[in-house]
Amino acid sequence: DVKVTQSSRYLVKRTGEKVFLECVQDMDHENMFWYRQDPGLGLRLIYFSYDVKMKEKGDIPEGYSVSREKKERFSLILESASTNQTSMYLCASSLWGRASANADTQYFGPGTRLTVL
Amino acid sequence: RKEVEQDPGPFNVPEGATVAFNCTYSNSASQSFFWYRQDCRKEPKLLMSVYSSGNEDGRFTAQLNRASQYISLLIRDSKLSDSATYLCVLEGGSQGNLIFGKGTKLSVKP
Repeated sequence: DVKVTQSSRYLVKRTGEKVFLECVQDMDHENMFWYRQDPGLGLRLIYFSYDVKMKEKGDIPEGYSVSREKKERFSLILESASTNQTSMYLCASSLWGRASANADTQYFGPGTRLTVL
Repeated sequence: RKEVEQDPGPFNVPEGATVAFNCTYSNSASQSFFWYRQDCRKEPKLLMSVYSSGNEDGRFTAQLNRASQYISLLIRDSKLSDSATYLCVLEGGSQGNLIFGKGTKLSVKP
């Protein structure tokens, strides 16, 4: 079974703090993704990565950065947390690389519910 | 037309009922389609892929209509455990990312 783990289930931070959210997958997947999910807005893609040290902006990258130093680990960084970044953050991974003709199934971690005070 | 559009519901149905959800999409170039299920305060999980010819998995049937650009999910003999939000998902964008609908909430009552 694919396993995607996230470092924290719940996190409370203060405005202006630097926040690191970690995601690890154990299936040697090439693709990794970070989403946020808010009521009424659904899942929105923040950043994704097709390979180590590669990153691509998603639909809402502002206020976030990412790091992928190892294939199995994809980190989301909030440089200076703000209250509008209070959300559920979901990491996902999928098998196929960029050369694939079709997107493959994405497997999600359990999510991190971040509250910024 | 929005990229992926779903009726948010909620659909409140009794146990044993048959319920159907539709989802319309705007990207005619999409090649991959899925239904995901998300339980309250949990992560989305793949329910089933959707193939051009339609496919069935137990009580669940998914169909794709490319001409009209919609996919459907039919659930027969609903169980209490089917209560969840069902997300319509398709391939979108030039890099093959997935686009998620906002979901349809189903509540199955005893």
